[in-house]
Amino acid sequence: AQTVTQSQPEMSVQEAETVTLSCTYDTSESNYYLFWYKQPPSRQMILVIRQEAYKQQNATENRFSVNFQKAAKSFSLKISDSQLGDTAMYFCAFAWYYGGATNKLIFGTGTLLAVQP
Amino acid sequence: GAVVSQHPSWVICKSGTSVKIECRSLDFQATTMFWYRQFPKQSLMLMATSNEGSKATYEQGVEKDKFLINHASLTLSTLTVTSAHPEDSSFYICSANHVASGSRHSYNEQFFGPGTRLTVL
Repeated sequence: AQTVTQSQPEMSVQEAETVTLSCTYDTSESNYYLFWYKQPPSRQMILVIRQEAYKQQNATENRFSVNFQKAAKSFSLKISDSQLGDTAMYFCAFAWYYGGATNKLIFGTGTLLAVQP
Repeated sequence: GAVVSQHPSWVICKSGTSVKIECRSLDFQATTMFWYRQFPKQSLMLMATSNEGSKATYEQGVEKDKFLINHASLTLSTLTVTSAHPEDSSFYICSANHVASGSRHSYNEQFFGPGTRLTVL
């Protein structure tokens, strides 16, 4: 069975600084995708970034980037130049690719990030 | 991007009544939708996978007679909480699969609704 682990329940960072959120996963699958989702106080789930497992290059989206270590099964999220609007719960998620489509998402327990002014 | 709506956004009901929550994909068709439950400060727990035109697939431990799911069209899935009790109070979130293009092959990206807060008195 696939599992996703986020070992940091809560984190805090000063505005404009950089913070890294950790995520590890366990799977025997070879074709899969990894995601980071953000859930602000409004509770709307927002996709932050995704990584295709067969791509060695780390995904980046503006201030957000990942460090994907496939052998170590690690998928951390780095947020640069943190902004107050980044305050949210962040979920790491895994989905394996099978039969021409990705399957259901497996979520981690989440990391509550607070950006301090 | 693809938009998913949920209705109602919040509902309060008496114990023993049934409540229906709607999930709509507004600008795309979704053959597969998912229903999640989320308790405060916790992660999303997948309840069931809803497939258009067929029976839903429930996760282990989820009572299918308690949580009825209907996916009658490519843009609408409904979750009915039957004979609701206070322990059913929670935040319910739906998502819809939208086909996106990856660098090697297409994949299904899930777009989430804004959620429905259910309070059972």
